[in-house]
Amino acid sequence: GAGVSQSPSNKVTEKGKDVELRCDPISGHTALYWYRQSLGQGLEFLIYFQGNSAPDKSGLPSDRFSAERTGGSVSTLTIQRTQQEDSAVYLCASSLRWTAPGDTIYFGEGSWLTVV
Amino acid sequence: TQLLEQSPQFLSIQEGENLTVYCNSSSVFSSLQWYRQEPGEGPVLLVTVVTGGEVKKLKRLTFQFGDARKDSSLHITAAQPGDTGLYLCAAYKGGKLIFGQGTELSVKP
Repeated sequence: GAGVSQSPSNKVTEKGKDVELRCDPISGHTALYWYRQSLGQGLEFLIYFQGNSAPDKSGLPSDRFSAERTGGSVSTLTIQRTQQEDSAVYLCASSLRWTAPGDTIYFGEGSWLTVV
Repeated sequence: TQLLEQSPQFLSIQEGENLTVYCNSSSVFSSLQWYRQEPGEGPVLLVTVVTGGEVKKLKRLTFQFGDARKDSSLHITAAQPGDTGLYLCAAYKGGKLIFGQGTELSVKP
């Protein structure tokens, strides 16, 4: 596709269940980012991947959160034993390179997670 | 503590009014970005400013980077309902793109 694609767009899950959120970046983009956004708030950095380098996981809020990127393309964000405070929009973004100010970061439309 | 402090957090104005949104930090940045986000969508990059004192214009939007490269402002002239949205500033810190908490702008017709 032409843009960053995320799925599911909406997910309602029961507290304690695991969820997987998928991100398909723009073809050829080597950098991939995950952010979390609570209603009407700014974006909280979670993790980023750059090519074959080790990902920067410094923003993951707890060990219940993990992410992987297979083949340098698709990424999956997994939240284990979900809690109500995990409810938020999870945004994925990609860019051609990493932290180059001249490169534009493109965001997907997000996955809205509700934990009940 | 937020690396980037935006103010105001909420702004509700009438069509035709002017407004300014501020993004402040105690840190120095090599560049700073402004994004606009509409409901149900991801943020979209509006501009990147890289030089202290730089002013960039995008139609009715004027962006300024502070001389010391610690702060920035976004000024909208003659706001229109189509300007409604969440405006976010962002900057790279430690290799990560960090965002301010955003300014929610509502322009009423």
